Amino acid sequence: EDKVVQSPLSLVVHEGDTVTLNCSYEVTNFRSLLWYKQEKKAPTFLFMLTSSGIEKKSGRLSSILDKKELFSILNITATQTGDSAIYLCALSGAGGTSYGKLTFGQGTILTVHP
Amino acid sequence: DADVTQTPRNRITKTGKRIMLECSQTKGHDRMYWYRQDPGLGLQLIYYSFDVKDINKGEISDGYSVSRQAQAKFSLSLESAIPNQTALYFCATSDSNGRDAFFGQGTRLTVV
Repeated sequence: EDKVVQSPLSLVVHEGDTVTLNCSYEVTNFRSLLWYKQEKKAPTFLFMLTSSGIEKKSGRLSSILDKKELFSILNITATQTGDSAIYLCALSGAGGTSYGKLTFGQGTILTVHP
Repeated sequence: DADVTQTPRNRITKTGKRIMLECSQTKGHDRMYWYRQDPGLGLQLIYYSFDVKDINKGEISDGYSVSRQAQAKFSLSLESAIPNQTALYFCATSDSNGRDAFFGQGTRLTVV
């Protein structure tokens, strides 16, 4: 079974802080690693990473994948209260019956205080 | 209109009752998924389907069944609901590349 582990499980910071969320995995072959933000209900897509070492950026958020060390990080700089959410990491499987199947980590609950 | 629509959005039911959660999508995707979310456990895969004739068990399929009535419709059934099936349920779709997923708004199910 594919395994995805996120850390920390929860994090409390103040506005303006920078946070780094971690996602490590035990999968030998996958198509992509995905980051989602979940506020009140459905997860919303943030990033899709397929290549090692190439940073994806969107405003204050950035993410990078390290296929050698089997992890990804999601950075949020100058955090705002609106960044408070659960951040989910998922792997899209590559082989056999895992092809395209998403395996999620537990999520990191981020709370940003004013 | 949402691309992935789940009904109902909230449901309270009694132990032992049969209940069906429905999902429909307008994205034209072949792949559909049902996930369950409990606090602190992320999303766990219940069942998934890669096309109308294909049904696969996920990590936590016991106590659940599914039906893929059409490419656009994928329903999840609890034949005899029990309290530990109280959770938030998400339907999702992806295209044949399976690289990304689009989620419905979720169904909050409470079994009393």
